[in-house]
Amino acid sequence: GENVEQHPSTLSVQEGDSAVIKCTYSDSASNYFPWYKQELGKGPQLIIDIRSNVGEKKDQRIAVTLNKTAKHFSLHITETQPEDSAVYFCAALKAGTALIFGKGTTLSVSS
Amino acid sequence: SQTIHQWPATLVQPVGSPLSLECTVEGTSNPNLYWYRQAAGRGLQLLFYSIGIDQISSEVPQNLSASRPQDRQFILSSKKLLLSDSGFYLCAWSVRVGDGGYTFGSGTRLTVV
Repeated sequence: GENVEQHPSTLSVQEGDSAVIKCTYSDSASNYFPWYKQELGKGPQLIIDIRSNVGEKKDQRIAVTLNKTAKHFSLHITETQPEDSAVYFCAALKAGTALIFGKGTTLSVSS
Repeated sequence: SQTIHQWPATLVQPVGSPLSLECTVEGTSNPNLYWYRQAAGRGLQLLFYSIGIDQISSEVPQNLSASRPQDRQFILSSKKLLLSDSGFYLCAWSVRVGDGGYTFGSGTRLTVV
């Protein structure tokens, strides 16, 4: 089955810096890669996603890149703000199955 | 609009006791439903997913079971809880299996003592 590895497990940045979180997946048949943000005590919320026919997608300060050949994808957050502090999860999906998540990255943005 | 409800929000149960967590979705028909467990440092582990009534896939052999008695209701159960069942349980729904963009409930924090 699919396996998703996520790095780093914790990330601390200064406000205004950029943050990058990286994930790799194992199943080349996976074709959808979302990123979720989870605040303390809440369920994860989708923040951005990318499909396998696209190499990059951007939404304001966040962007996701996908390298299908290498089977890895990354989340980029620019101009970080304290409210970006949360746990971020990447995930991979193969048609007909359910999302498989990475172990999460705890992002701390200090002002 | 669609909403997802999970309850209870927190639960403390003794080892060996039964468990029933409920999840319901409003505002949509025939949703795909999912149960995940989040343990500290282990991310979101897929437990069960369902594409319809009486169609439930189990992803991890363990002390838990799932049922879907109605189209928009998904129940997670155990006959006898273990300490290792402690965690944060999340229900989610999507339009179709294989379609992304899950919407998660607010979760149930289960502590087995």
